[in-house]
Amino acid sequence: AQSVTQLDSHVSVSEGTPVLLRCNYSSSYSPSLFWYVQHPNKGLQLLLKYTSAATLVKGINGFEAEFKKSETSFHLTKPSAHMSDAAEYFCVVRRSNDYKLSFGAGTTVTVRA
Amino acid sequence: ETGVTQTPRHLVMGMTNKKSLKCEQHLGHNAMYWYKQSAKKPLELMFVYSLEERVENNSVPSRFSPECPNSSHLFLHLHTLQPEDSALYLCASSPDGGHYGYTFGSGTRLTVV
Repeated sequence: AQSVTQLDSHVSVSEGTPVLLRCNYSSSYSPSLFWYVQHPNKGLQLLLKYTSAATLVKGINGFEAEFKKSETSFHLTKPSAHMSDAAEYFCVVRRSNDYKLSFGAGTTVTVRA
Repeated sequence: ETGVTQTPRHLVMGMTNKKSLKCEQHLGHNAMYWYKQSAKKPLELMFVYSLEERVENNSVPSRFSPECPNSSHLFLHLHTLQPEDSALYLCASSPDGGHYGYTFGSGTRLTVV
């Protein structure tokens, strides 16, 4: 079985300050891990993915995430938030050799001017 | 545009209507998916097609009927829906069973009245 827990349902930051979105997973197998972003009335866009290569993964728009197996975490960070980062973010796990993706409940990010 | 196109973007239908959602990808992917995104709930996998064969049907009511005539097209036929079926329906595709993630369309916002 696998599950994904996004520890914060809502994160509010000031423009130019760091963003941290927390994700923990449980998986019986070596997982693939993803972060997706969804802007209002849009589909999901892939930000970055971990597929058993480097544990520090760099994605688009200045985001990065670190896979920590000992902590079963895959937290997403960005050093300096921009107004356009306001969106909903999903942490996603895929068990090896399985079509299914398990989605977290999502974290809504608001950015204050 | 992500390469996965969904039409229509918005749909309002009565409970006795029959309508269809369409998804199209020309990315060369061999697997396609339907997801349902309701407010305040995690994304729900509805159907998975791999090489045009259905490989997953996640206990979806029979009022939702998928069709995959070829590897580039996926339909979701709707009939006698309920108001609780109102949601954003997302189509996705992947080249390899999802190991490197999915590519999502922008979704169809369905409202059942």
